[in-house]
Amino acid sequence: AQTVTQSQPEMSVQEAETVTLSCTYDTSESDYYLFWYKQPPSRQMILVIRQEAYKQQNATENRFSVNFQKAAKSFSLKISDSQLGDAAMYFCAYDERSNYKLTFGKGTLLTVNP
Amino acid sequence: NAGVTQTPKFRILKIGQSMTLQCAQDMNHNYMYWYRQDPGMGLKLIYYSVGAGITDKGEVPNGYNVSRSTTEDFPLRLELAAPSQTSVYFCASSYDSRYWAFFGQGTRLTVV
Repeated sequence: AQTVTQSQPEMSVQEAETVTLSCTYDTSESDYYLFWYKQPPSRQMILVIRQEAYKQQNATENRFSVNFQKAAKSFSLKISDSQLGDAAMYFCAYDERSNYKLTFGKGTLLTVNP
Repeated sequence: NAGVTQTPKFRILKIGQSMTLQCAQDMNHNYMYWYRQDPGMGLKLIYYSVGAGITDKGEVPNGYNVSRSTTEDFPLRLELAAPSQTSVYFCASSYDSRYWAFFGQGTRLTVV
């Protein structure tokens, strides 16, 4: 079974600084998708960014970017110019193509200090 | 507004009671899912459906049942509620398994 590991239960960053959240995953597949979700205190799950495994180029969405290392099975999220509104739980997730299911990591709680 | 609607938002059940968590989406998505979120444990898949009339078990299906009679609705049934089912439940839908984006707002269930 696929597993997703987020080794940092909690992280903190100063406002306007950059922070990187780590994620590793275990799979024998070559075609899959990776996601980062944000869950603020409101509990809503918000898709932050997605990466297709067959694409070598790292995905970016405004201040959010990923470092996708396929051979190392690593998928880290970089948040630049951190804002107070970025404070949330962040989940890394894996979806094996044609498997129809998302597997989540346990999450990283990000605190942004003013 | 288009999206995934879950009801209720909060519920307290007594041990042994039953209830149905409702989930509806208006985006004509084929794929629908139920997850539960326990503190510090991320989200775990309970059941999923790839289309009307088709459902399958996820990682933690025991104590739950689902049905999918229409594309729009995917209710989750809890029979004989137990304290171990205290959790936050999320319904999600997707047009395609690659385009994960839509979650409901969650239902916080407490079994006492």
